[in-house]
Amino acid sequence: EVQLVESGGVLVQPGGSLRLSCVASGFTFSNYWMSWVRQAPGKGLEWVANIKQDGSDKYYVDSVKGRFTISRDNAKNSLYLQMNSLRAEDTAVYYCAIAGFWGQGTLVTVSS
Amino acid sequence: DIVMTQTPLSLSVTPGQPASISCKSSQSLLHSDGKTYLYWYLQKPGQSPQLLIYEVSNRFTGVPDRFSGSGSGTDFTLKISRVEAEDVGVYYCMQSKQLWTFGQGTKVEIK
Repeated sequence: EVQLVESGGVLVQPGGSLRLSCVASGFTFSNYWMSWVRQAPGKGLEWVANIKQDGSDKYYVDSVKGRFTISRDNAKNSLYLQMNSLRAEDTAVYYCAIAGFWGQGTLVTVSS
Repeated sequence: DIVMTQTPLSLSVTPGQPASISCKSSQSLLHSDGKTYLYWYLQKPGQSPQLLIYEVSNRFTGVPDRFSGSGSGTDFTLKISRVEAEDVGVYYCMQSKQLWTFGQGTKVEIK
């Protein structure tokens, strides 16, 4: 059974930093591009970042470029999202995903 | 960037009746590999999105056959042949030809 389990979401002050993690199981993690997608409260889905199987290519939505960094550790079947200079508008549930499967999400709240 | 536009944004359907959602992309989603990277998801209340249809018309594992997808190029449609109460939620189309982009979502409720 495919599972994606996110963690790391908390309440953080504007300007702060946070690292999200996602542990994958039930499939060959190193064979897949991985993605982070977020959903602000009551809003739709927004793709945030993608990373290639070996980590050599990374892509970001414009609003997080220069602030967020996606990475992975294939030995640990883990995906990460380092989030710096956080803003109120980054408040959202963050999902780890491949096209066919999504995690349950982890809530990031940016507020003073 | 590829923009995805869904219509309608909300739909109220009588159980047993059909429903249809349209999704248009700002560019063709036909990739040079011959595949068209258009997906449909359903996000039920309080849950993560679940994949219904991949590459325009392929039902994902376990998806009932009352769900069908069609289209090509820039115009796509999700059809539910007979809506059931468990089909309520928000439906999203998504393209992955160039990174990922989602439509705004279509909220489906039961009359």
